[in-house]
Amino acid sequence: NAGVTQTPKFRVLKTGQSMTLLCAQDMNHEYMYWYRQDPGMGLRLIHYSVGEGTTAKGEVPDGYNVSRLKKQNFLLGLESAAPSQTSVYFCASSLVDRSDGYTFGSGTRLTVV
Amino acid sequence: GEDVEQSLFLSVREGDSSVINCTYTDSSSTYLYWYKQEPGAGLQLLTYIFSNMDMKQDQRLTVLLNKKDKHLSLRIADTQTGDSAIYFCAEVSGNTPLVFGKGTRLSVIA
Repeated sequence: NAGVTQTPKFRVLKTGQSMTLLCAQDMNHEYMYWYRQDPGMGLRLIHYSVGEGTTAKGEVPDGYNVSRLKKQNFLLGLESAAPSQTSVYFCASSLVDRSDGYTFGSGTRLTVV
Repeated sequence: GEDVEQSLFLSVREGDSSVINCTYTDSSSTYLYWYKQEPGAGLQLLTYIFSNMDMKQDQRLTVLLNKKDKHLSLRIADTQTGDSAIYFCAEVSGNTPLVFGKGTRLSVIA
């Protein structure tokens, strides 16, 4: 029972490069989320999805795109990375009623130079 | 939008009790949560409380909810060095995503 798996765990990008972060969950959760965590800023919601084929913007969506083609996967894309996107990215998933809160992945540490 | 506030730092001696406080603004919150984040790891759900409860106890953890004042607290009894971490308070209402506080860094002094 893996829970929420994020790949890769670490990545260094040059400014302007693109990349995709993958999140996979095996708990049949309907909802999935992408957060970024920066020192002193707590967790900020980037995008989320309430079901396969749906996506919605969170608090800080600019510069990111997402897709939820399969229920178990939620992809976060950076089309043209900027140093301001240096952060730790967390994926999470939950049941519809959130009675058990979120299950988080272990994070992806991204550095943009 | 809705907001969740926590103090940023707390330092306690090993063996003492820790109390981490949180205030929130959404009066229609249904669940309130406490998460723990250890260095280099994701957030782990510690405990949660339904909004119609006043208190929940789970081994060394006690959660108190004052709905009138919109105040949530987490008490850790007999705090150990392994409890050193960042603790996040969060709340949810309706179908909106959870709203997290900025986290309280707990340091346990041996």
